[in-house]
Amino acid sequence: NAGVTQTPKFRVLKTGQSMTLLCAQDMNHEYMYWYRQDPGMGLRLIHYSVGEGTTAKGEVPDGYNVSRLKKQNFLLGLESAAPSQTSVYFCASSYPRTSGGAVGSYNEQFFGPGTRLTVL
Amino acid sequence: GENVEQHPSTLSVQEGDSAVIKCTYSDSASNYFPWYKQELGKGPQLIIDIRSNVGEKKDQRIAVTLNKTAKHFSLHITETQPEDSAVYFCAASFTGNQFYFGTGTSLTVIP
Repeated sequence: NAGVTQTPKFRVLKTGQSMTLLCAQDMNHEYMYWYRQDPGMGLRLIHYSVGEGTTAKGEVPDGYNVSRLKKQNFLLGLESAAPSQTSVYFCASSYPRTSGGAVGSYNEQFFGPGTRLTVL
Repeated sequence: GENVEQHPSTLSVQEGDSAVIKCTYSDSASNYFPWYKQELGKGPQLIIDIRSNVGEKKDQRIAVTLNKTAKHFSLHITETQPEDSAVYFCAASFTGNQFYFGTGTSLTVIP
């Protein structure tokens, strides 16, 4: 199993350009997430998906869009890149575990290797 | 939303000594607290987690403690080794969908 893979690994964009980051997982996980990691700020959730065809906003969704057309793929799009979106982007996936009937309460997340994006 | 604070931001210990990293959270509804280790150039990897109905959990040299009343939890690494050098993140979650991460602790184990 490859686990969680991300494409591309590095990218440099000019302000106003668009791009799509691809995340793929081969673990049949229901949940997928996109985070950004900035120095001194930890990981912040951008968008997430609890299943094929569903997406939801996280902590910092502005300027990003996502799609989950297939269970194994989660795409993150930047329509008009800005320097503030320079960051390292991580994708993660998880399978909701049940505890006392509460589905999804305890999810071990598996992270991809990251995409380093620079917007000039 | 939830706010997770993590201290210290950097930590240096001699090989064989113990390391402790502390996190506090603000939302009393949070019930799942994972810890991740991130090595240079890689994504975070889960090393241990604890649920709110448990006060302590151990896995070999790693342990996590949780104080729900005070809303803080800690990571303890004993008998540290050079390969423990990495950035460690704590996180808190209530729904299992949204995770709120601390700002990270860079641990250096000096041989």
